[in-house]
Amino acid sequence: AQSVTQLDSHVSVSEGTPVLLRCNYSSSYSPSLFWYVQHPNKGLQLLLKYTSAATLVKGINGFEAEFKKSETSFHLTKPSAHMSDAAEYFCVVSDLDGGATNKLIFGTGTLLAVQP
Amino acid sequence: DTEVTQTPKHLVMGMTNKKSLKCEQHMGHRAMYWYKQKAKKPPELMFVYSYEKLSINESVPSRFSPECPNSSLLNLHLHALQPEDSALYLCASSPKGQIGSGELFFGEGSRLTVL
Repeated sequence: AQSVTQLDSHVSVSEGTPVLLRCNYSSSYSPSLFWYVQHPNKGLQLLLKYTSAATLVKGINGFEAEFKKSETSFHLTKPSAHMSDAAEYFCVVSDLDGGATNKLIFGTGTLLAVQP
Repeated sequence: DTEVTQTPKHLVMGMTNKKSLKCEQHMGHRAMYWYKQKAKKPPELMFVYSYEKLSINESVPSRFSPECPNSSLLNLHLHALQPEDSALYLCASSPKGQIGSGELFFGEGSRLTVL
């Protein structure tokens, strides 16, 4: 079975400093991995996705993530945080069990706070 | 148009009421989903419709009744809910017939309070 573990429930950074949100996955085959963002009282928005093409994936708003199979990681990074990046971030794996009931498996989320 | 629109944004209901949540998308997506999200938790899948047919029911209590009248609309009928059903209900759609792409487009949600 597939799973994801987000290693930090809260991350706080200063505006203009780098962001690192950590995610490890468990999968018996090559996974499809995603990062979603949820701003307060809003729905979720896809930031980026990895689907076995390039291991370095670029997303919206300057975010990127690197798929590292040897470390079973898919960490999300951004060189310089902006106040508008404050939100909840979810690492997600697609549970491609080969059947008709493909599902998304969500991590528990990381709340990013950005200090002025 | 890349939006998923949910109404109402807020709903307060008693345990004996009957109400409905509505979701609409005009992106031509053929899979639509209902998720339930409690505070500070990830979304939990409730139902999936693929080509207007119910394909996944995550053992949701019968007091929640989904309906997909056509490919653009998704309803969630609510009856005899419990206070613990209070949550943010998110609708989503995806470009493929099933969830396999992982690319979901979410609405902003309907925040439900059950008194």
